[in-house]
Amino acid sequence: NAGVTQTPKFQVLKTGQSMTLQCAQDMNHEYMSWYRQDPGMGLRLIHYSVGAGITDQGEVPNGYNVSRSTTEDFPLRLLSAAPSQTSVYFCASRGGSTYEQYFGPGTRLTVT
Amino acid sequence: GIQVEQSPPDLILQEGANSTLRCNFSDSVNNLQWFHQNPWGQLINLFYIPSGTKQNGRLSATTVATERYSLLYISSSQTTDSGVYFCAAQPYGGSQGNLIFGKGTKLSVKP
Repeated sequence: NAGVTQTPKFQVLKTGQSMTLQCAQDMNHEYMSWYRQDPGMGLRLIHYSVGAGITDQGEVPNGYNVSRSTTEDFPLRLLSAAPSQTSVYFCASRGGSTYEQYFGPGTRLTVT
Repeated sequence: GIQVEQSPPDLILQEGANSTLRCNFSDSVNNLQWFHQNPWGQLINLFYIPSGTKQNGRLSATTVATERYSLLYISSSQTTDSGVYFCAAQPYGGSQGNLIFGKGTKLSVKP
């Protein structure tokens, strides 16, 4: 199993550009989440999904969209990038029978 | 919402020393996990421990749910233990997959 994979690893955007961060898992996990990590702030939940077709907002959802059309994929879209969205983004998943979360390697995003 | 506080924020140890990291949470939880983020940024799940005690090699964790705290013990520390340790909690009634993280304890183990 590849576990949780994220692409790209690094990305630089200009203010106002849009892009999609990809996340995929091959463990047939029901639950998937997106977090952002900023220095000194720990990880903050952006959006999460409890299954295909079901998504909900987390702690810091503004400026981001998600959808979950399949169990495997959970992309995160930045609609109009802003410098405040410069961060490291982590995708995570867990199965329905266990609470243990598995994290992807992260995407480092810089918005200039 | 639930508050998760970790202490100390920073810890410097000599190789071979023992340490205790603390996590306080403000509400009842049905999910409490400890993670290690290595210097390369990868997050590794250490323990799922909403109550009780678990051990895995030199690491062990104890959660006293009635008093709303959890402790992570590292014995005979090694340089490879360096990194940031996060505690994360999901409150009772909270949405599945919705973990609230503390700000972490940054551990540096010197040779």
